[in-house]
Order: sequence, then structure tokens, then C-alpha cells
Amino acid sequence: DAGITQSPRYKITETGRQVTLMCHQTWSHSYMFWYRQDLGHGLRLIYYSAAADITDKGEVPDGYVVSRSKTENFPLTLESATRSQTSVYFCASTSDRGWASYGYTFGSGTRLTVV
Amino acid sequence: GEDVEQSLFLSVREGDSSVINCTYTDSSSTYLYWYKQEPGAGLQLLTYIFSNMDMKQDQRLTVLLNKKDKHLSLRIADTQTGDSAIYFCAEIKASGGSYIPTFGRGTSLIVHP
Repeated sequence: DAGITQSPRYKITETGRQVTLMCHQTWSHSYMFWYRQDLGHGLRLIYYSAAADITDKGEVPDGYVVSRSKTENFPLTLESATRSQTSVYFCASTSDRGWASYGYTFGSGTRLTVV
Repeated sequence: GEDVEQSLFLSVREGDSSVINCTYTDSSSTYLYWYKQEPGAGLQLLTYIFSNMDMKQDQRLTVLLNKKDKHLSLRIADTQTGDSAIYFCAEIKASGGSYIPTFGRGTSLIVHP
């Protein structure tokens, strides 16, 4: 079935390690987003991408790297994980005009714990 | 997400109406959304309203928009225990040709039997 999938669902990593969270969508949506969800902060935008090879920073980009070599994939890498990056990460996507009619579609999230 | 403000908690009895309020900041936002997040899940679009509308009704859901005060509300009629979730208000902001959703902190709705 078409959809947006995130992997892994849960991840525990150690401080200082590099970790990559994956996001894959099957609709060929042009826009993809990464958010983190923390208690008391709601959803904060980390990075977004308007198309393949086009990425831009959001509200909280420090410590994260993204790439978008293919339209369907938008991986998020924590270069050197810190405890403050313990969070639930959500990927979302929408088409060029799709946001106007059906909004943004979210994945199920990745719960990351940095110990 | 601090540009969009919501109260953090709302507790209601089953069968009552719930009203979740939101204040947004960008008067040029063309669409405003309500998303629902159930425990352990991602966000699902509940409904949206276009900025030239004052009200939108969709079954048990009623969205009211006051553009002058930049105030958005979501009313859930006959609230059920299955409505217990976190509800997020979101506005769309234009940024360099892209349209970026900015979310509030979310309102946790607790429905008591």
C-alpha cells in the first residue's frame, strides 16, 4: 500500500554515535519534513525539503543532517548523538498543492533514546 | 512551534461538547488545520479551514475562525472516550516559496466515562 513509512520504530543509541532515521514515501510527494516532538514543546521543525536535492533548515537544525538524493527518501542523520536529542521524530510529506486540500501526511514516528 | 498557542489540557465528560482553542500569528495563513494524535501514533488530519471561511462543519466537528483575533477553535459534539487524544492546531507559513506548517504544542483531551 502507498504510504509514508519510518524506520526504525524504536532506537536506543549511545552518546556520540551517529544514527540515521529513515523516511520513505510512495506518493512522489515533492515536500518532505522532519519534526521532533518533545513534551512541552509540541512539534518543532528540524529540516524540510521542497524537492530532490533541495533542503532547508527549520527551527531546530543544529546537530542534524539531511539529504534527499531521491524524491521518495528523506533520511535524517544525527552526526554525534546527544541526550538532548532523545525525542520522538516524525516525518511528513505533501505534494506541491496537496497541502491546500489534504494537508500533510505523517509517518508513525521513531522513538529515539540517547543514553 | 511557539507561534501557535493552545491550552495544554482539557477534561470533559463523555457526551459533553469539547472546545479546543488556538491562537495563531500569521494573518496571511491561507489554511489552518486541526490534527489528532492518538497514543503512540503519528498525526492524522482531522479537518481544515480556508481563511475566507468563518465556520466549517464536518459531522461532529465544527471549526470556527475569527481572523480579526487570529483565533481558531475546534468543537467536538457528543465527545466519546475514543476522542481522547492530543489535538494540534497548525498554520501554514510561506517561506521562500515553500509552505511550512507550524504547529502548536497540542491540547491533551481527556474524556471521562
